[in-house]
Amino acid sequence: EDQVTQSPEALRLQEGESSSLNCSYTVSGLRGLFWYRQDPGKGPEFLFTLYSAGEEKEKERLKATLTKKESFLHITAPKPEDSATYLCAVSNAGGTSYGKLTFGQGTILTVHP
Amino acid sequence: GAVVSQHPSWVICKSGTSVKIECRSLDFQATTMFWYRQFPKQSLMLMATSNEGSKATYEQGVEKDKFLINHASLTLSTLTVTSAHPEDSSFYICSASQLAGGVIETQYFGPGTRLLVL
Repeated sequence: EDQVTQSPEALRLQEGESSSLNCSYTVSGLRGLFWYRQDPGKGPEFLFTLYSAGEEKEKERLKATLTKKESFLHITAPKPEDSATYLCAVSNAGGTSYGKLTFGQGTILTVHP
Repeated sequence: GAVVSQHPSWVICKSGTSVKIECRSLDFQATTMFWYRQFPKQSLMLMATSNEGSKATYEQGVEKDKFLINHASLTLSTLTVTSAHPEDSSFYICSASQLAGGVIETQYFGPGTRLLVL
């Protein structure tokens, strides 16, 4: 069974204080690892897809990296508008579960001005 | 690009009535659409997967006769909550998947529909 564990559950940062969110995963065959951002009362917003170990992707103050066991979402010099819940999910390469995502519980990020 | 809409954004109904939620991919044709449910302070729970023109695949524990899914076209899927009861009150979110360079299907999510059953 695919499993995704995110840590920490909640993270409070001061504006400008860089940090990282962790996503550990167990999957029989990784098809892709996804990062989403979710604001309260809204649907998740797609951020990144990572396909293989060693891959990195960046978008503004966010950088996602992937190893064979975990992924990190690095936030550089965060701003209050970066406050949200960040969700990590994996897609299994297996036949019957094709396209399905297994989500972690999310990390609630709060950036104080 | 990759915009998914849902309608309505919120709905209040009386117990015993049925509610239909629409999910549309606005600027792409979706290979597959998914329906999720999310409880407060919890992550997304997949309810069912649907492909255009075929029956939906429901996750274990999800009542297919209660949550009817119709996927009429490559841009439209509907979820009907039949004979709704207060315990069906929740945040329902759909997603539509699109090939990304032919390598993998990326799911793009709608804004969600908040259902309150009185």
